[in-house]
Formats: sequence, structure tokens, C-alpha cells
Amino acid sequence: NAGVTQTPKFQVLKTGQSMTLQCAQDMNHNSMYWYRQDPGMGLRLIYYSASEGTTDKGEVPNGYNVSRLNKREFSLRLESAAPSQTSVYFCASTRQGSYEQYFGPGTRLTVT
Amino acid sequence: LAKTTQPISMDSYEGQEVNITCSHNNIATNDYITWYQQFPSQGPRFIIQGYKTKVTNEVASLFIPADRKSSTLSLPRVSLSDTAVYYCLVGDLNNFNKFYFGSGTKLNVKP
Repeated sequence: NAGVTQTPKFQVLKTGQSMTLQCAQDMNHNSMYWYRQDPGMGLRLIYYSASEGTTDKGEVPNGYNVSRLNKREFSLRLESAAPSQTSVYFCASTRQGSYEQYFGPGTRLTVT
Repeated sequence: LAKTTQPISMDSYEGQEVNITCSHNNIATNDYITWYQQFPSQGPRFIIQGYKTKVTNEVASLFIPADRKSSTLSLPRVSLSDTAVYYCLVGDLNNFNKFYFGSGTKLNVKP
């Protein structure tokens, strides 16, 4: 099992550019999450998907959109990147009824 | 929102027991307490979870007093490889958007 995979690992964008961060899990988990982590800070929840076909906003959703493509995949899209979105983005998943989140390796995004 | 408060950093020596306390005064009835460990350039890793009293697994213990307004993660006999940031997370599976990680505690284990 690969667990939770994220692509790309690193990305540099110019202000105003768009991109999609990909996340996939092979553990048959129901719930998936996107977090961002700024330097020296904890993680903040951007969006989550409690189950296939549903998505909801977390603490910091502005500037982002998500798609739960199927049970395995949950993507995060930045339509018009801003320097304030420079961060490390983590995807995570949990099986139904569990608090144990499995995290991916992260995507380090820099917006100039 | 059940925000959490933890010490910013702690120092310890190899072989000692380390206790990290998290304050969560506004914890709701249905909230569970979960602790994660994070190494640099990696995603967090689940350590332990609990609702009340004491929970123990192969790597740590979690102590939760009766009022549940705080919790203490106990790491027995730490080693250098336990140097990491430890996060306390409080939340309810019925309200994912209420999960709050906080800034964590940087544990530095010295030889």
C-alpha cells in the first residue's frame, strides 16, 4: 500500500497562475482532508470530504476549490494564486468512524 | 471552536519520561482528543486518541482528567528520534470543520 500520495512535491507559481494539487489514497478511506501549514505554524483545515460526493469548507477555504473525483482522489485547486498561499499543503484521509488521520508527504508551494 | 493551547517548546534528555500538556477549556461533549507527531518535512503521524481517563498504547499514554479541559501526553524513556513537534487535536467526527491543530509543542531531546 502506498498510503496517501500527493503530486507534485514542489511547485513554484507566479501570482495569478492556477494549478491543481492531486491527492490519492489506496486504503479505501471514506473521508479526505486538505490542510495548509505555514512556517512554524500548525495545520489549518482548508476543505474536507466526509464521504464520496460531498465536500465542505474548513477553517481557511477562501481562494481554494476542491473536487472529490471518486473515493480514492481528492484534488485542491488554486484558481488565481497569491503570495499568501505560499505554504506546505497536506492531504489526509481517515476510515469511517476513526480519528486517525493518515497524511501524505506534502506539496511545498511557493507563489512569487 | 475547541481551540487548544500547548507549550511552545520543551527540552528533555534521553531516557527521561516526557509529559506534554494541552489545554482545551471549550471542549464539547462529543469531542475526542488526538495527538500527532510531526518530523520536519513530513506529514503528521497519529500517536494516540482518547475521550476520558487514561489510554495507553505501545508508544505513549494519554491522561485526561474528569473535567476534560486538559490532556497530557506521556512519552516514556524518550530517545533522540523523539525530537519532533507534537500536536494536540480536539474534535468531533460529526463536525470535521471544527478540528483544530494548534501550533504544537517542539520537543527537543538531548543526548
